Amino acid sequence: GAVVSQHPSWVICKSGTSVKIECRSLDFQATTMFWYRQFPKQSLMLMATSNEGSKATYEQGVEKDKFLINHASLTLSTLTVTSAHPEDSSFYICSASSNSVIGYGYTFGSGTRLTVV
Amino acid sequence: KQEVTQIPAALSVPEGENLVLNCSFTDSAIYNLQWFRQDPGKGLTSLLLIQSSQREQTSGRLNASLDKSSGRSTLYIAASQPGDSATYLCAVNDNYGQNFVFGPGTRLSVLP
Repeated sequence: GAVVSQHPSWVICKSGTSVKIECRSLDFQATTMFWYRQFPKQSLMLMATSNEGSKATYEQGVEKDKFLINHASLTLSTLTVTSAHPEDSSFYICSASSNSVIGYGYTFGSGTRLTVV
Repeated sequence: KQEVTQIPAALSVPEGENLVLNCSFTDSAIYNLQWFRQDPGKGLTSLLLIQSSQREQTSGRLNASLDKSSGRSTLYIAASQPGDSATYLCAVNDNYGQNFVFGPGTRLSVLP
């Protein structure tokens, strides 16, 4: 149980375009989803926290107008990288938690490798 | 602010050796601690989750211990195999429902 599906697993896009990444909880309702970013040879850093039905909370230094997060349902959160630039190339990974699923820990998606050319 | 460190940053061992990876965190008021494995260019695989009330968890050749009061956790890998080669991440969760703070990872290479 407690599976999180993240799609796509990798994407290449041109500079200036937008890319959407989806994160779905398959067998539980995720009241909170977290989005992380990992640059090469660095650890994962939290970008934002989203609760279903409310605006996301962004970490310091993360541009909320550039990284649009939508958590419209208890099973789906999306991260849209708008007007992507090469410096946005990174590994993005989501994590979901649920107040009703004690002991599941915080399940992570498989990640999305974004390359902006 | 919670900070997580991992030692060593990289480790190379011959196949069959037992090894220990170390994780330290600055704030002992954690809810749980989780060890992950990350293969190059891949996502995270959860290895072991230790709740704050527990002292250790075991899964196969892996054993993780937690000493919350001293802010330390260790991941013990027995009889290492080349397939164990990966980066191992330690992450702590400060409050239920909140995000993880990750360590920088230990890059393990097991040589055949």
